Amino acid sequence: DQQVKQNSPSLSVQEGRISILNCDYTNSMFDYFLWYKKYPAEGPTFLISISSIKDKNEDGRFTVFLNKSAKHLSLHIVPSQPGDSAVYFCAASYTDNFNKFYFGSGTKLNVKP
Amino acid sequence: DTAVSQTPKYLVTQMGNDKSIKCEQNLGHDTMYWYKQDSKKFLKIMFSYNNKELIINETVPNRFSPKSPDKAHLNLHINSLELGDSAVYFCASSQDAGSLYGYTFGSGTRLTVV
Repeated sequence: DQQVKQNSPSLSVQEGRISILNCDYTNSMFDYFLWYKKYPAEGPTFLISISSIKDKNEDGRFTVFLNKSAKHLSLHIVPSQPGDSAVYFCAASYTDNFNKFYFGSGTKLNVKP
Repeated sequence: DTAVSQTPKYLVTQMGNDKSIKCEQNLGHDTMYWYKQDSKKFLKIMFSYNNKELIINETVPNRFSPKSPDKAHLNLHINSLELGDSAVYFCASSQDAGSLYGYTFGSGTRLTVV
């Protein structure tokens, strides 16, 4: 029973355009969300987070949007660059349980030059 | 200078064998984890230690036994390996058990049981 789902296993985008990666969750207790980026043969690295008290968090080219009513979050990358090509995982947790994150299965982003 | 290092990177072994994966972090973090990435690519937590104390022990076969000799090390020992144990195992650490800044992951150990 996967509580965090990334239904698009892959996404291809042209350099300079916007990349939108989606994530859905089922547990309404989740109130903290993270995005990780993973290159081949490396571990995932933390990218950006959002708390449920916000609906948007921005860090440079990366913006995460949270729609609590729809139990949906998305990661926007603008503009996309070839170096952004990687697998992106979303992860969720809830207050008093931050030592345990639930991960999606990842979306492989390919940014074409 | 690698923050979270796992050894070995690749491990191919026969069914029934016993093997260990080692993990070390030099970040001064208090909490360490083992995650398993299954064939469907989901990352699932297996164990978590905070200052050498086991705080998370998910539903994992008791053939899997973590050991934390100190807070910088968390090793994973697997007895009587089975085909279904084939996966990528990631070690991770975080500043403390309730860190809001996520984990620092190692690069993974790809275990193949034949």
